Amino acid sequence: KQEVTQIPAALSVPEGENLVLNCSFTDSAIYNLQWFRQDPGKGLTSLLLIQSSQREQTSGRLNASLDKSSGRSTLYIAASQPGDSATYLCAVHFYSSASKIIFGSGTRLSIRP
Amino acid sequence: NAGVMQNPRHLVRRRGQEARLRCSPMKGHSHVYWYRQLPEEGLKFMVYLQKENIIDESGMPKERFSAEFPKEGPSILRIQQVVRGDSAAYFCASSATGDNQPQHFGDGTRLSIL
Repeated sequence: KQEVTQIPAALSVPEGENLVLNCSFTDSAIYNLQWFRQDPGKGLTSLLLIQSSQREQTSGRLNASLDKSSGRSTLYIAASQPGDSATYLCAVHFYSSASKIIFGSGTRLSIRP
Repeated sequence: NAGVMQNPRHLVRRRGQEARLRCSPMKGHSHVYWYRQLPEEGLKFMVYLQKENIIDESGMPKERFSAEFPKEGPSILRIQQVVRGDSAAYFCASSATGDNQPQHFGDGTRLSIL
């Protein structure tokens, strides 16, 4: 069974710190992995999409890495700001899950001013 | 260049009523997916449709839930005789083709059952 796990479930750090969010998945046969941001009561904002053949993607202060062999991805946020406070979701498209994207339960991030 | 459009954004129903959620995919997309997000949880796949066909409904509850994607018009997720446990955010995504193509998500419909 394909599973996506995100640890920790919640994280609180002071403004300005660099931080890492973790995502692990159970099967290395994937099409892609995607990181989303979700604000309370809102929809999903796609942050970074890493294809199976890629090792990392960068956008501004965000950097996502992918290690298929170990079934891990990290989302690195540099110089965190209060506006980064949100829930971050990791989502994996496995070969064997066909059309489904499997989501982790998310990490709820709070940046203290 | 509109993205995936879902309406309504918020829907309130009383127990026993019917809920109809609509999703218009991105222009040029013919594949639609529905996901449900229960409070404090991640999104869970419900159903995958192409025009006039249900491809995978393995995540749909066996009773009261149905989905369609007609030749013309939006995809509809229908919940009959709603119960409190149906309260959730329902997200729609679309892709140009199936398989490994990225899925683009709408803003969701938040369903509240009184």
